[in-house]
Amino acid sequence: DQQVKQNSPSLSVQEGRISILNCDYTNSMFDYFLWYKKYPAEGPTFLISISSIKDKNEDGRFTVFLNKSAKHLSLHIVPSQPGDSAVYFCAASGDGYALNFGKGTSLLVTP
Amino acid sequence: EADIYQTPRYLVIGTGKKITLECSQTMGHDKMYWYQQDPGMELHLIHYSYGVNSTEKGDLSSESTVSRIRTEHFPLTLESARPSHTSQYLCASSESGGRVGYTFGSGTRLTVV
Repeated sequence: DQQVKQNSPSLSVQEGRISILNCDYTNSMFDYFLWYKKYPAEGPTFLISISSIKDKNEDGRFTVFLNKSAKHLSLHIVPSQPGDSAVYFCAASGDGYALNFGKGTSLLVTP
Repeated sequence: EADIYQTPRYLVIGTGKKITLECSQTMGHDKMYWYQQDPGMELHLIHYSYGVNSTEKGDLSSESTVSRIRTEHFPLTLESARPSHTSQYLCASSESGGRVGYTFGSGTRLTVV
C-alpha cells in the first residue's frame, strides 16, 4: 500500500516561472518529510526537508510547505531554471524507520 | 571526501548467474539501506542495516541477501539472477533513521538476460 503519493508524473514549466510539485501521504505517524532530486543514471540527492512541527522551510529558490491536516506537502521552485529539470521524489519518515518514497514527478524547465 | 560508492554502475548478466552489488561509504554512518527502483516507480526498500551484524528485510520482498561485516561495506547478493531482477539498485546511508537526509550512491543498473 503506497503511503506517499505523487499524483503528477510530469510537469513542464517555463524558465523563470514557479514550479510547484505536490505530494500526499496517508500515514499520520510520519513526522519528517524530504524532497530528493534525481538525474538519469545517478542516485537521488537530498534537496530540502521539513519537520512536522513546522509548516514552511525555505532554502534559496526552494521552499517546502506542509499542511498536516490535509496530509499534503508541496515543493516550490522560484524561479525555475533549466538545470532544475530532473525527477523529484517526495519522501516521508516516522520515528526510527526508513524513508518511504513517492513515484516521483519529472520536471522539465523549458528555456 | 566522504561519499558512498556503488559498483558496478551497469551490469548485464545471464540468467542463473550469481552476482554481488558492492556498496561502500566513507562517512562512518551506522545505517545503510538498499532500495530498488523500476522506471516511473517509487523507490522500494528491500534491505536495511542499523549497524555491524544487523540486517533486516524491507517492505518489498526480494530474493537478494545482504551482509554487514564492516561498518563501511553493505554488499547485496543475488544467488541466481533472473530477468525479473532487472532493475536499478540504489544504496544509501544515514547517521540516523530518517531525521536527516540519506546519502545515495549512483546506483547499479542491472539487466538480466
